[in-house]
Amino acid sequence: AQSVTQLDSQVPVFEEAPVELRCNYSSSVSVYLFWYVQYPNQGLQLLLKYLSGSTLVESINGFEAEFNKSQTSFHLRKPSVHISDTAEYFCAVSEGSSNTGKLIFGQGTTLQVKP
Amino acid sequence: DTEVTQTPKHLVMGMTNKKSLKCEQHMGHRAMYWYKQKAKKPPELMFVYSYEKLSINESVPSRFSPECPNSSLLNLHLHALQPEDSALYLCASSPRTAHTGELFFGEGSRLTVL
Repeated sequence: AQSVTQLDSQVPVFEEAPVELRCNYSSSVSVYLFWYVQYPNQGLQLLLKYLSGSTLVESINGFEAEFNKSQTSFHLRKPSVHISDTAEYFCAVSEGSSNTGKLIFGQGTTLQVKP
Repeated sequence: DTEVTQTPKHLVMGMTNKKSLKCEQHMGHRAMYWYKQKAKKPPELMFVYSYEKLSINESVPSRFSPECPNSSLLNLHLHALQPEDSALYLCASSPRTAHTGELFFGEGSRLTVL
């Protein structure tokens, strides 16, 4: 069975500092990997995804994540955060061959950006 | 702005009431989802519709009844709910019939059961 572990429940960081949100997954088959972001009182938004190809994926707002198959990780990074990045971040995995679209979410990491 | 629209944004209901949550998308997606999210927790999958047919029911109690009238609309009918059903209910749609997990979420309907 698949599972997703987000190693940090809360990550406080000062504005303009770099940040890494960690995500590890467990699966015996090929997977698709995602980071979703949820701003206060809103739904989830897809931040970035790994389906195939290049293991380094980037979002339009400066986040990037690298798929590391040997370490079964998909950590999210940003070199310089803004106050507006304060949100809940969910790592998620779906099974590549299952054809169900069922997402397994991690427990979430609260990113708190301080001025 | 989200392209998945959910109404109402807030709903308060008693345990004997019948109400419905509505979701609409006009992106041509053929897979639609209902998720339930409790505070400070990840979303939990409830139902998946693929081409207007129910494909996944995650053992959801019968007091929740989904309906997909057409490819753009998804409803969740609520009846005889319990206070523990209070949560944010999220609708999502997917552009890929292969269901990779790439989902577009609405902003949710926040339900309070008294």
